[in-house]
Amino acid sequence: NAGVMQNPRHLVRRRGQEARLRCSPVKGHSHVYWYRQLPEEGLKFMVYLQKENIIDESGMPKERFSAEFPKEGPSILRIQQVVRGDSAAYFCASSPPYHEQFFGPGTRLTVL
Amino acid sequence: KQEVTQIPAALSVPEGENLVLNCSFTDSAIYNLQWFRQDPGKGLTSLLLIQSSQREQTSGRLNASLDKSSGRSTLYIAASQPGDSATYLCAVKGGGSYIPTFGRGTSLIVHP
Repeated sequence: NAGVMQNPRHLVRRRGQEARLRCSPVKGHSHVYWYRQLPEEGLKFMVYLQKENIIDESGMPKERFSAEFPKEGPSILRIQQVVRGDSAAYFCASSPPYHEQFFGPGTRLTVL
Repeated sequence: KQEVTQIPAALSVPEGENLVLNCSFTDSAIYNLQWFRQDPGKGLTSLLLIQSSQREQTSGRLNASLDKSSGRSTLYIAASQPGDSATYLCAVKGGGSYIPTFGRGTSLIVHP
């Protein structure tokens, strides 16, 4: 069984460009979580999605950030007009409800 | 709001020692607690998951215990090895939410 896949693993963008981060959950998992991790800081929850629905986006900035988990295909975290402060590692995790989370390897975003 | 604290923040020990890492949480109404390890520049690897009805879980040299009434979990690592060097995080899920709350982690170095 393949684990959680994330791509790209590394992404470099200039200020003002868009960043698209993709996450393919473990097969059969209907719950996806996105987290951001800054150097020397903890893991911060951003958004929780089930298929075609956003359940909780309380950790996601209201502007420039959006997430989706379509019926078919991977979950996408989209950051528009990136700024240097968006540079971080972005992790995706999947799980069934009330069960353990499995994390992907992360996407490291660098904004120049 | 759930708060999760991990003590110590960093730990350096010689190979062969038995270790105890601590995780405390403020809201005892939890569904489960999960321990992870994170290697530098990598994603999170699930180590152990303890459901709220359980008192402990074991996997190889690792043993995790849960005391909901006192809001504590401990991760015991027996006969530590240099390969155990990593950051260890605990995550608590509960309080009517699917969103886990992560601690800041304990950075462990096991030197030969």
